Amino acid sequence: VVMTQSPATLSVSPGEGATLSCRASQSIGRKFAWYQQKPGQTPRLLIYDASIRATGVPARFSGRGSGTEFTLTINNLQSDDFAVYYCQHYGTFGQGTRVEVK
Amino acid sequence: EVSLVESGGGLVQPGGSLRLSCTPSGFMLSPYWMSWVRQAPGKGLEWVANIKEDGGSENYVDSVKGRFTISRDNAKNSLYLEMNSLRVEDTALYYCARETPGGACYFDCWGQGTPVTVSS
Repeated sequence: VVMTQSPATLSVSPGEGATLSCRASQSIGRKFAWYQQKPGQTPRLLIYDASIRATGVPARFSGRGSGTEFTLTINNLQSDDFAVYYCQHYGTFGQGTRVEVK
Repeated sequence: EVSLVESGGGLVQPGGSLRLSCTPSGFMLSPYWMSWVRQAPGKGLEWVANIKEDGGSENYVDSVKGRFTISRDNAKNSLYLEMNSLRVEDTALYYCARETPGGACYFDCWGQGTPVTVSS
């Protein structure tokens, strides 16, 4: 399975919302996760099973999708949210979407 | 608080070998599948290998099959990655990661990583 994320970079102003996309090359049901990685830091599990927030993840992060199309929506972007986001299905990660300050 | 600590990385020549280790803090490895994930400088995440709770099953990404071996010693509460025939393209930060129960290969706990540089 190939996971393709879009866009590669998303420029957003603090307080705005952002939607990141990930497409699987074949249907994967809902076995799907999103991770956040800040510069110089370890990846952090945000969402698993496509839509369940991991422990401690703020409610402004939400995941949707099934089959081949998945989205991560971040509402009211905070300074702490500017990072690279990766999607994942089993042993395959997407190439990442960088969310940067506009 | 749960965490993982990797060690064993370093500089090695092409064709050389290294053994990485990973030790948990705040939990025991034995109930969990465990993985190694790597990240080349400035690049994305790449899953490398994983191993079943009891060590009875292993999986590898194609690019390391036959060269890398994942293993664990639950009595010593440790995870390992034996890397042989190293290539320049194996240069990366190597993370060990705990998988959530249920077999879906989600990583809910990561170490800080140990760097591996393959260069002549």
